[in-house]
Amino acid sequence: GQQVMQIPQYQHVQEGEDFTTYCNSSTTLSNIQWYKQRPGGHPVFLIQLVKSGEVKKQKRLTFQFGEAKKNSSLHITATQTTDVGTYFCAGLPNNAGNMLTFGGGTRLMVKP
Amino acid sequence: SAVISQKPSRDICQRGTSLTIQCQVDSQVTMMFWYRQQPGQSLTLIATANQGSEATYESGFVIDKFPISRPNLTFSTLTVSNMSPEDSSIYLCSASSGTAYGYTFGSGTRLTVV
Repeated sequence: GQQVMQIPQYQHVQEGEDFTTYCNSSTTLSNIQWYKQRPGGHPVFLIQLVKSGEVKKQKRLTFQFGEAKKNSSLHITATQTTDVGTYFCAGLPNNAGNMLTFGGGTRLMVKP
Repeated sequence: SAVISQKPSRDICQRGTSLTIQCQVDSQVTMMFWYRQQPGQSLTLIATANQGSEATYESGFVIDKFPISRPNLTFSTLTVSNMSPEDSSIYLCSASSGTAYGYTFGSGTRLTVV
């Protein structure tokens, strides 16, 4: 079945440093979504990427979808303590209806 | 986006008993799902809750253990039956109005089986 791998599993950064998490799918995706889960909270939808090579920005967050629609990345510029949490990518395969497959997540910790 | 009310938020249950978790969405949604998440881990899909018909279960999950109801487009329940300590986890419901939209998640139910 489809697998979505995400690296790194953990990342400690100093406040102000940049952070990137990478997501790779074993199959071509129809779209990819990103979620943030704060400690003790539930996943919250951040964004969806649909087009090959698509780049979207939300303030300090930049999301990219690979040309082959099998990989994606989330980059945070100048991290803040409010960025702490686990970031999940979730892929929707071309032929799997509406069922997302979640990556393992990257837990971001920011030292003030 | 939709808002989901999930309850209970947490419970401690005796082994061998059953717990029913409820999710109420504030608007009609196309899809509803149930996930399990161990602390510090990713989300594992248990099943898709189908309105008016039997749920579609993922590999490793069966209806006898996790019966699901979805009587309408805004409500679903998940029952964890004959619980054992291995069922201790966080259970999350989610809803989506289609592939063009992200999933909205309930706040989760933290279940501890003793």
